[in-house]
Amino acid sequence: DQQVKQNSPSLSVQEGRISILNCDYTNSMFDYFLWYKKYPAEGPTFLISISSIKDKNEDGRFTVFLNKSAKHLSLHIVPSQPGDSAVYFCAATNSGTYKYIFGTGTRLKVLA
Amino acid sequence: EAQVTQNPRYLITVTGKKLTVTCSQNMNHEYMSWYRQDPGLGLRQIYYSMNVEVTDKGDVPEGYKVSRKEKRNFPLILESPSPNQTSLYFCASSLQGGQTGELFFGEGSRLTVL
Repeated sequence: DQQVKQNSPSLSVQEGRISILNCDYTNSMFDYFLWYKKYPAEGPTFLISISSIKDKNEDGRFTVFLNKSAKHLSLHIVPSQPGDSAVYFCAATNSGTYKYIFGTGTRLKVLA
Repeated sequence: EAQVTQNPRYLITVTGKKLTVTCSQNMNHEYMSWYRQDPGLGLRQIYYSMNVEVTDKGDVPEGYKVSRKEKRNFPLILESPSPNQTSLYFCASSLQGGQTGELFFGEGSRLTVL
């Protein structure tokens, strides 16, 4: 049972345009969500997070939106840059369980 | 430099030969955890530890053991490795886990079990 789903395995975007990566979850007990970026041969690195009490969090070019009623979150990257090409994972946790559930990842390719 | 260090980075072994993957963090983090990454399955949590001597199972703990005798170290033990444990393993740490912080990941350990 995949509690966190990233239904798009890959995404290609032109440089300078907006990249939108999507993530759906099924467990309504999740109260904290995170996005990670992963380059080949490296560990995942933290990008941005959002608490379930918010619906938006912004950090520079990265914005995460949370729609609790739809159990959906999205990561927007504006403008997209070639260096953003990586695999992006969304993750969810319930702060009382200390378990982190990751999605399967979306490979983003930003075309120059 | 703040980091999570895993060793070995690459390992090829044979079925049944016990091995340990070490993980060490220098950030005084309370929370540490292990993940495996497999194609099409993303990152799946194996075990986690909230503090010294406190560990619990993640989603895929079968075939693995862990220990947390010191705050900085969280080794992953495969007592009798099998080919289905061939995977890319990541150790991660966080100040407290849950909603209080992001996870910091090591660079990964690629394990092949023949």
